[in-house]
Amino acid sequence: GAGVSQSPSNKVTEKGKDVELRCDPISGHTALYWYRQRLGQGLEFLIYFQGNSAPDKSGLPSDRFSAERTGESVSTLTIQRTQQEDSAVYLCALGLAGGEQFFGPGTRLTVL
Amino acid sequence: AQKVTQAQTEISVVEKEDVTLDCVYETRDTTYYLFWYKQPPSGELVFLIRRNSFDEQNEISGRYSWNFQKSTSSFNFTITASQVVDSAVYFCALSDLLRTSGTYKYIFGTGTRLKVLA
Repeated sequence: GAGVSQSPSNKVTEKGKDVELRCDPISGHTALYWYRQRLGQGLEFLIYFQGNSAPDKSGLPSDRFSAERTGESVSTLTIQRTQQEDSAVYLCALGLAGGEQFFGPGTRLTVL
Repeated sequence: AQKVTQAQTEISVVEKEDVTLDCVYETRDTTYYLFWYKQPPSGELVFLIRRNSFDEQNEISGRYSWNFQKSTSSFNFTITASQVVDSAVYFCALSDLLRTSGTYKYIFGTGTRLKVLA
């Protein structure tokens, strides 16, 4: 969507390599979410940022996953030592005042 | 446990037919929100509707209507006179209170793929 961009749009990597995915929201949105969508599946919550508060990391599947965000700016999701099961579309979403979320176009990650 | 079930994995209809997509949820929260999103072939998720748990009025928006029934924990979505452009995956979602922060994350169902044939 126009309100949030994600890069890269596609990423192919080899098993064991680290990858960094980027979410670039328009300003003024303090709530930011990361989700993972495996092929043919629903969305799995990964992490939530709200302003300068400590992020809610309860959805991160392992310690290979980490994410950062400073204030209302760019967020990066890092996956270390990628595994084939990490292959998925990673979606960033902004939390809007009404409770709904505005999703970015996603990054399709393929781990060979 | 917080859970959203969309039992229909795929539905095919012929254009102009009506179709209902089912969503059943489980929640421990007394106040919660339910959502429907559309994911067309392009891949981007599009918000369709939000419903508060204390508002059981059904809603109609053009060819779309939603039936929320707390008694059966269901939030079903009906498309009237379906069109080819309605072909997409539709996701139902439930808010899940994050007790550490007092804000919400969202639990998504596995989606229903709707194919509308010309």
